[in-house]
Amino acid sequence: SYELRQPPSLSVSPGQTARLTCSGDALAKEYVYWYQQKPGQAPVLIMYKDSERASGTPERFSGSSSGTTVTLTITGVQAEDEADYYCQSGDNSGTYWVFGGGTKMTVL
Amino acid sequence: QVQLQESGPGLVKPSETLSLTCTVSGGTVSSFHWSWIRQPPGKGLEWIAYIYSNGSTNYNPSLKSRVTMSVDMSKNQFSLKMTSVTGVDTAVYFCARVAWLGTSPPSGYIDDWGQGTLVTVSS
Repeated sequence: SYELRQPPSLSVSPGQTARLTCSGDALAKEYVYWYQQKPGQAPVLIMYKDSERASGTPERFSGSSSGTTVTLTITGVQAEDEADYYCQSGDNSGTYWVFGGGTKMTVL
Repeated sequence: QVQLQESGPGLVKPSETLSLTCTVSGGTVSSFHWSWIRQPPGKGLEWIAYIYSNGSTNYNPSLKSRVTMSVDMSKNQFSLKMTSVTGVDTAVYFCARVAWLGTSPPSGYIDDWGQGTLVTVSS
């Protein structure tokens, strides 16, 4: 079955730049969507179509794509950015969806 | 922005059927596309199914044999039924609205989420 791969964890200091990656064989063709989830809350869409910021997403969040890897970059990390981040995409046909395993980002 | 509210039993016995409903407010259920996603305690998100506004559905292949998603326009709701549940089906279940890009093949994502409801499978 199709998988999206994300590093399970990432630690950054406030003000630093965080780069969260999402890898998958179909990502050269399929768009990736990013969600932020804080404890006890539903996920929130923060990035769509690889690099488009969703409404309300701060400008410090950006996205990029290269081959089969998509990267969510947070420039100038703030304490409020501590959360789990999930990428989501479709398989080669776009029919079936899959989420990455998520990256837990800790702001030290 | 629509508001979504999941409802259903919080406890289901093994081998029984899990039934959840999502009530839509601030919009008409027939005008949008919908999805169910779940999250086992302490784990990641898993897509279960989505339904287009025309009623056609797609299911996660790993769950397809046990899952049915449908829309009730008269109640402005959509629902999920999952048969033969076991402990691995214990999770927070989210209902959600789907947005589709005009690409070929279509590319979809979630732009609105319900708050989620915890369903525990246990005797």
